[in-house]
Amino acid sequence: DAGITQSPRHKVTETGTPVTLRCHQTENHRYMYWYRQDPGHGLRLIHYSYGVKDTDKGEVSDGYSVSRSKTEDFLLTLESATSSQTSVYFCAISRGREEAFFGQGTRLTVV
Amino acid sequence: AQSVSQHNHHVILSEAASLELGCNYSYGGTVNLFWYVQYPGQHLQLLLKYFSGDPLVKGIKGFEAEFIKSKFSFNLRKPSVQWSDTAEYFCAVNAMDSSYKLIFGSGTRLLVRP
Repeated sequence: DAGITQSPRHKVTETGTPVTLRCHQTENHRYMYWYRQDPGHGLRLIHYSYGVKDTDKGEVSDGYSVSRSKTEDFLLTLESATSSQTSVYFCAISRGREEAFFGQGTRLTVV
Repeated sequence: AQSVSQHNHHVILSEAASLELGCNYSYGGTVNLFWYVQYPGQHLQLLLKYFSGDPLVKGIKGFEAEFIKSKFSFNLRKPSVQWSDTAEYFCAVNAMDSSYKLIFGSGTRLLVRP
């Protein structure tokens, strides 16, 4: 498996609190992605990065922000968590044209 | 903007039946196409990919897909499914023109009955 780790793997948080999920890679891939997976919706792109400090919005970016200050790390922040953001979050990395490799996922519950 | 449609949301087959899952994409430029599989409780894994050349591509575990440019389609096929193929299947597309923004379809849940 590609060297990609997500942390934490599970988190329960309260409505209104900020939450940060971390994606760390050891593959030096340029592109990094954050998705959320919900039943019936597949994987929906939240934000992605095409280089250090280069990020762009995906399909469901409202309520989320990202930062990439170095190649290895891509952080996803829920600015004020809501129950609708309860989901499984996946990070992925790629070289662009090539296939993406996925992390193990983070299960987030907002209560 | 890119988009991907998977029309079959749930498919139930018996072992040894043939499989075809539909995937259509919307994008005006040159695309790269992928099929991923997600087994229960696991993350996504690549089944096969198409970049250019022969429109019929073969992947792992006996899967293949055909790119039909005129139909904007990239359907997944397998001649004879096994119980172990029970999983969720996702079609995805990216393009250099959009900084390799990788967009997925909503997925197809396949249940193979022994």
